[in-house]
Amino acid sequence: AQTVTQSQPEMSVQEAETVTLSCTYDTSENNYYLFWYKQPPSRQMILVIRQEAYKQQNATENRFSVNFQKAAKSFSLKISDSQLGDTAMYFCAFDNAGNMLTFGGGTRLMVKP
Amino acid sequence: NAGVTQTPKFQVLKTGQSMTLQCAQDMNHEYMSWYRQDPGMGLRLIHYSVGAGITDQGEVPNGYNVSRSTTEDFPLRLLSAAPSQTSVYFCASSSELAGGTDTQYFGPGTRLTVL
Repeated sequence: AQTVTQSQPEMSVQEAETVTLSCTYDTSENNYYLFWYKQPPSRQMILVIRQEAYKQQNATENRFSVNFQKAAKSFSLKISDSQLGDTAMYFCAFDNAGNMLTFGGGTRLMVKP
Repeated sequence: NAGVTQTPKFQVLKTGQSMTLQCAQDMNHEYMSWYRQDPGMGLRLIHYSVGAGITDQGEVPNGYNVSRSTTEDFPLRLLSAAPSQTSVYFCASSSELAGGTDTQYFGPGTRLTVL
């Protein structure tokens, strides 16, 4: 079974600065997908970014980028130019190509003005 | 497209009562799933379906039943509610891309309290 670990329960960052959220996972699979989801107070799950394990290039989406280290089974999320609207819970998730997600415990991010 | 819809948004039950959480999607996705989110935790998979007429158990299936008679709908039934089932329930859907998996799209969630 796969496991996903987010070692930072809470983090804070000043507006306009950069913050990195950590995620590690454990799997014996070679083909899989990794995701970061954002959950604001409205509790809606919003996709931030996804990474296919077979792609060596790190995914980027505007201010969001990942550092995918397949050998180390690490998948961190970098948020640049943090905005107040980035305040939310962030979940790392793993999919072994079966359309079923295994989630980490989440990191609560607070962006301070 | 409405995406993934869930009803109700909130529900309070007494121990032993039964109810059905509704989920529907209009994206013609083959895959649908139910997750529960307990306070301070990530989502955990309850049941999933890879197509109409096909369902299977996830990580935490006890106390729940599902069926999938159409592509669009995937209801979750609580047979005899227990306080341990107090949680927020999310429905999700996705499709399978050639050679891989698509992103899961989530409904807005149902907050269930069992007294």
